[in-house]
Amino acid sequence: QKEVEQNSGPLSVPEGAIASLNCTYSDRGSQSFFWYRQYSGKSPELIMFIYSNGDKEDGRFTAQLNKASQYVSLLIRDSQPSDSATYLCAVNKDNYGQNFVFGPGTRLSVLP
Amino acid sequence: DVKVTQSSRYLVKRTGEKVFLECVQDMDHENMFWYRQDPGLGLRLIYFSYDVKMKEKGDIPEGYSVSREKKERFSLILESASTNQTSMYLCASSFKLGTDNQPQHFGDGTRLSIL
Repeated sequence: QKEVEQNSGPLSVPEGAIASLNCTYSDRGSQSFFWYRQYSGKSPELIMFIYSNGDKEDGRFTAQLNKASQYVSLLIRDSQPSDSATYLCAVNKDNYGQNFVFGPGTRLSVLP
Repeated sequence: DVKVTQSSRYLVKRTGEKVFLECVQDMDHENMFWYRQDPGLGLRLIYFSYDVKMKEKGDIPEGYSVSREKKERFSLILESASTNQTSMYLCASSFKLGTDNQPQHFGDGTRLSIL
């Protein structure tokens, strides 16, 4: 089992819809969880992080964490074509930021 | 804002050359990382450093070395470049302690081609 798993996609949603991106992780001791957006040919850009069970909202983005199920998700409301990118889930497994594991990413395509 | 600067966006080198990739961060981060990213393989950690002169191997250190003589600067060295090292190289940095979530912040990347 890979440490951090994501569906590779592509996930296609129409403009204005909600995009739901999912991530599972294997290490129950993982401390914090991050979502990065990466446009083609560019470097990953931090969108948001979450470390407590439940939801965390930031503008059109909502991160959801369920540690019991070892599951973290990212919802993008009112999806725009500019949201088309690869979304990387990352898991921090320790308290020192030195044990970071990235998922393979999900490619999102928002269709006008 | 965090600024992680990589010395080159694009670089073309020849097989057998010694190649230096430089990364500088301005946020006093303790941790610095070098990744490579290839289609279908995702981000793979080459080396990281948690302090000056300290380094740890990542998942794919073979053929690479690193240097961290100053806190803000982390260099990746390809000792004798080979064509299978053609890739996008990404530098990142983060705090080690004292911050709840310690996200990694990335530079713009260096697209390296070995001919």
